[in-house]
Amino acid sequence: EVQLVESGGTWVQPGGSLRLSCEGSGFTFGSFSLNWVRQAPGHGPEWVSYISERDATTYYTDSVKGRFTIFRDNAKNSVFLQMNSLREEDTAVYYCVRDHHWSLDHWGQGTLVTVSS
Amino acid sequence: DIQLTQSPSFVSASVGDRVTMTCRASQSLDGRFAWYQQKPGEAPKLLIYYISTLQSGVPSRFSGGGSGTDFTLTINGLQPEDFATYYCQQANNFPWTFGRGTKVEIK
Repeated sequence: EVQLVESGGTWVQPGGSLRLSCEGSGFTFGSFSLNWVRQAPGHGPEWVSYISERDATTYYTDSVKGRFTIFRDNAKNSVFLQMNSLREEDTAVYYCVRDHHWSLDHWGQGTLVTVSS
Repeated sequence: DIQLTQSPSFVSASVGDRVTMTCRASQSLDGRFAWYQQKPGEAPKLLIYYISTLQSGVPSRFSGGGSGTDFTLTINGLQPEDFATYYCQQANNFPWTFGRGTKVEIK
């Protein structure tokens, strides 16, 4: 069974930093691209970042460029999201999501990031 | 960025009804288009990818169609477990984007 388990979400003050982790199991981790998708309370999903399976090509939504970094460690079946200079508008549940056929086919349970003073 | 506009925002329907919702893209898409279902407190679930391909395990009452800029999701014979919010999503260009959702409510 495919599983993605996120961790690292917590409360942080504006301007702070946080690193989210996601460990995958039940599939050949290094053969899939991965994404982070967030969902603010009462809102729809928002795609945040993508990392390819082999050459680690990355993409970001404009609002996080220069502040967030996605990277992966295929030996540990893990993908990470380093978040710096956090803002209140980054408050959301962050999901780790597998990419298959250019769609988001398996989602983790999510981890809550709250940015507030 | 490609904008996705879903309509209607809300649908009130009864069990057994046929429900159709639409998603319009701000530019033509090449097929990398998907639909998701989300229930409260849960992560979204992939229903359909490549416009009309049913994800494994998804009931056949769900179907997707369309091309270019206009896409549809149809539920034939609404079931109690289908009351949820549905989102469209494009992966034609980065940044990938979602529509704002269509909520299917019980009449």
